[in-house]
Amino acid sequence: DTGVSQDPRHKITKRGQNVTFRCDPISEHNRLYWYRQTLGQGPEFLTYFQNEAQLEKSRLLSDRFSAERPKGSFSTLEIQRTEQGDSAMYLCASSPTKAGDYNEQFFGPGTRLTVL
Amino acid sequence: SQKIEQNSEALNIQEGKTATLTCNYTNYSPAYLQWYRQDPGRGPVFLLLIRENEKEKRKERLKVTFDTTLKQSLFHITASQPADSATYLCAGGATNKLIFGTGTLLAVQP
Repeated sequence: DTGVSQDPRHKITKRGQNVTFRCDPISEHNRLYWYRQTLGQGPEFLTYFQNEAQLEKSRLLSDRFSAERPKGSFSTLEIQRTEQGDSAMYLCASSPTKAGDYNEQFFGPGTRLTVL
Repeated sequence: SQKIEQNSEALNIQEGKTATLTCNYTNYSPAYLQWYRQDPGRGPVFLLLIRENEKEKRKERLKVTFDTTLKQSLFHITASQPADSATYLCAGGATNKLIFGTGTLLAVQP
C-alpha cells in the first residue's frame, strides 16, 4: 500500500498524559499537513511542512501541541498534558509539489484520540 | 474570519437523479476550490479541483462550478447511485492551506 499511513489508528488516554502520533506520507510527496476533525465538522488545519521545514502553524495549535518532520519524511504530532477538548480525529495528508501550486491532498485514515 | 459554508442538512435523493451540493465562501477569495468525499471513520478522498479562472470542471459523473461573483461553488453528481452516499467536503485554498466546510451528507436511496 503506497498511501498515507498513520499510527496508531486509535488512542485512549487519561487527561494530563502526553500522546504522540506518527504519519508516513506518500514517499515522493514533500508537503505534509496535519488537521484535526471533530464530529460533524470539517478538518481544521493545524500545521504544514515543506520537506523538514514547518512553514505554517494555526493559532489553534497551542503550546501543548508540537509537530516535527526531522528528515523530511515521516512526521510526528505530540500533544502534551492532554485535555478532554483534545478528543478528535487527527488527520495527516501529503501532496506533491507541482506547477501551479494547487495540489490535491492525499489523506491518511486518521488517528482517533479519546481523552478520558 | 475566512469561512467555507456548506448546507449542514443531509441531502436525500433517489437513485438516478442528479445531486447538487452547494459551497459558499465568505471573507476571502480562494484561488481554488477542492471537493472531497469522506466515508465514516475514514480520511477524505480528493475528487475535483477548480481554479478561480475556471467556470466549470467535469470528471465522469461529477461536475463542479465556480462563480466568483456569487462566491459559490456547486457540485453535481449525475445518475447518482447508492454507492455515492457519503459526506462531501468543500475546501478553499489561497496558498497550500485549505479551509474546509462542515460537509454535506448525501444519501442516495435505491
